[in-house]
Amino acid sequence: DGGITQSPKYLFRKEGQNVTLSCEQNLNHDAMYWYRQDPGQGLRLIYYSQIVNDFQKGDIAEGYSVSREKKESFPLTVTSAQKNPTAFYLCASEGQMNTEAFFGQGTRLTVV
Amino acid sequence: AQKVTQAQTEISVVEKEDVTLDCVYETRDTTYYLFWYKQPPSGELVFLIRRNSFDEQNEISGRYSWNFQKSTSSFNFTITASQVVDSAVYFCALSRINNNDMRFGAGTRLTVKP
Repeated sequence: DGGITQSPKYLFRKEGQNVTLSCEQNLNHDAMYWYRQDPGQGLRLIYYSQIVNDFQKGDIAEGYSVSREKKESFPLTVTSAQKNPTAFYLCASEGQMNTEAFFGQGTRLTVV
Repeated sequence: AQKVTQAQTEISVVEKEDVTLDCVYETRDTTYYLFWYKQPPSGELVFLIRRNSFDEQNEISGRYSWNFQKSTSSFNFTITASQVVDSAVYFCALSRINNNDMRFGAGTRLTVKP
């Protein structure tokens, strides 16, 4: 089945460590997105990529990094510079701009 | 600046009641897209509808209906005869044309009790 897969579902990280969240899609979509969801704040855009080897910062990119070496994959690294990383992270892809976005089931990151 | 406001943080209804989720937006653009997404407990957002700002016709899809009023910058969502499976968080979103900048509201958590 076509879709978007995020892994792992739950992730625990010690303070000061970097951690990478995986996002893979087999929908042949060019655009991919990372959002952060906090209670009562909706979704906020971290990074997006419209094409392989290109990506742009969203509203809250500080402390995060991404890569887009393959069309299917858009991993997000949460670095130690991110001061409050505990959150729910959602990855999405979109075939054409401003159309329906497909979301993964999310990764819940907890810093311990 | 673009902004979406969903003033209702949580709504609780009893099954078979009708319920309306409010969405008010702000934008300086004359053309834009509006969206509604549903987030069930499993976590992923599920697309419900996209509306172009040129099209102010209301839309009905089964028990779901949407009321778009450009004059009041609102795009409200009504569920008729609600069911327990409708329990979820619902997000309204605003997107600029040909732009990846989509703004989400804070979401409304709907609980439908049997």
